[in-house]
Amino acid sequence: EPEVTQTPSHQVTQMGQEVILRCVPISNHLYFYWYRQILGQKVEFLVSFYNNEISEKSEIFDDQFSVERPDGSNFTLKIRSTKLEDSAMYFCASSPGTGFGEPQHFGDGTRLSIL
Amino acid sequence: QKEVEQNSGPLSVPEGAIASLNCTYSDRVSQSFFWYRQYSGKSPELIMSIYSNGDKEDGRFTAQLNKASQYVSLLIRDSQPSDSATYLCAVKEGGTGNQFYFGTGTSLTVIP
Repeated sequence: EPEVTQTPSHQVTQMGQEVILRCVPISNHLYFYWYRQILGQKVEFLVSFYNNEISEKSEIFDDQFSVERPDGSNFTLKIRSTKLEDSAMYFCASSPGTGFGEPQHFGDGTRLSIL
Repeated sequence: QKEVEQNSGPLSVPEGAIASLNCTYSDRVSQSFFWYRQYSGKSPELIMSIYSNGDKEDGRFTAQLNKASQYVSLLIRDSQPSDSATYLCAVKEGGTGNQFYFGTGTSLTVIP
């Protein structure tokens, strides 16, 4: 069964550094998402992406964050000038569409640890 | 602020029993509802979706939706130890928004 794949599985970075989290969505999916989950807390929406542009973003997704689809398969989340509170699990998700009952399929996540 | 509420648990049931998980949501115009299972340190794994009032069954799982009460539930029949996980309720808002709003999850333990 097709999967969303994310790399790396764990990223350790010094505070203030930039990180890029990578995702390969399911190949025939058109909508891509990033969520984060701080340890012990709920999964929170960051951003959705369709047709090479951001379609929706949350209050969390400020100027520190950016997303890009650099080629036909990868979808990246860049976090500039990382802060301690950016430590979380970051999940990429994708969906073929956005109709009623259309689920989002999640990757295994990247655990980001900011030191 | 759209809220999705779940009892955090832990909920413990004996093997073979029915586990009942509940979720309420605040946005009356929410369209679609999803149950995900999340093992510790792992990604959310889709169990099932529902968007019409009533029951939807898939194997040992039954989702129930009551839009008037803004309530969605998941029943797990013949619970197995492998069902022990955190169950996340996710709600997709109405209108043009595609984001999912997640509850904090209910921790389920099935006791052999």
